[in-house]
Amino acid sequence: AQKITQTQPGMFVQEKEAVTLDCTYDTSDPSYGLFWYKQPSSGEMIFLIYQGSYDQQNATEGRYSLNFQKARKSANLVISASQLGDSAMYFCAMRGNYGGSQGNLIFGKGTKLSVKP
Amino acid sequence: DVKVTQSSRYLVKRTGEKVFLECVQDMDHENMFWYRQDPGLGLRLIYFSYDVKMKEKGDIPEGYSVSREKKERFSLILESASTNQTSMYLCASSPTGTGTDTQYFGPGTRLTVL
Repeated sequence: AQKITQTQPGMFVQEKEAVTLDCTYDTSDPSYGLFWYKQPSSGEMIFLIYQGSYDQQNATEGRYSLNFQKARKSANLVISASQLGDSAMYFCAMRGNYGGSQGNLIFGKGTKLSVKP
Repeated sequence: DVKVTQSSRYLVKRTGEKVFLECVQDMDHENMFWYRQDPGLGLRLIYFSYDVKMKEKGDIPEGYSVSREKKERFSLILESASTNQTSMYLCASSPTGTGTDTQYFGPGTRLTVL
């Protein structure tokens, strides 16, 4: 069965510093995709970044990058130069690309990031 | 931009009432999903649909049903609401569910059952 584990319920970071949010996953699918979402206090889920299991390079989107270590089954999100607006819940998610899942995502329990001024 | 709308941001219902949560997407997406979000549990899939009139159970379908009569609309139904269904409900849609296709989420409905 597929599983996503986020071991940090909450984290603090100083404004302008970088922060790493941990995510490990478990799957037997040979092909899979990994996603990170941000959920501000307003509630909407915002897609941040995607990493495919066969991608040779780590994904980057602006200040977000994904530290993908396939052998360790980890897909940590790195946020550089933190801003106050980065304070939110962050969810790691995985999709298997085989079987009849039709694109279902399996979510971790989330990490609450607080950025201190 | 993809837009997913949900009929209510906040809803208060009484135990035993039948509750309808509506979700509409405007991008002709094939797949639609209903999740429930509770503190410390993340998002859990209730039901999903990959075509009109098609539905599949997710991880926690008990106490819920769904309806998809039109491609753009996916409804979640609580046949007889109970207090343990007090939660945040999130609807999402995605084009095909493969490759880099992400899911686009609505703003959520915070349901309280008294």
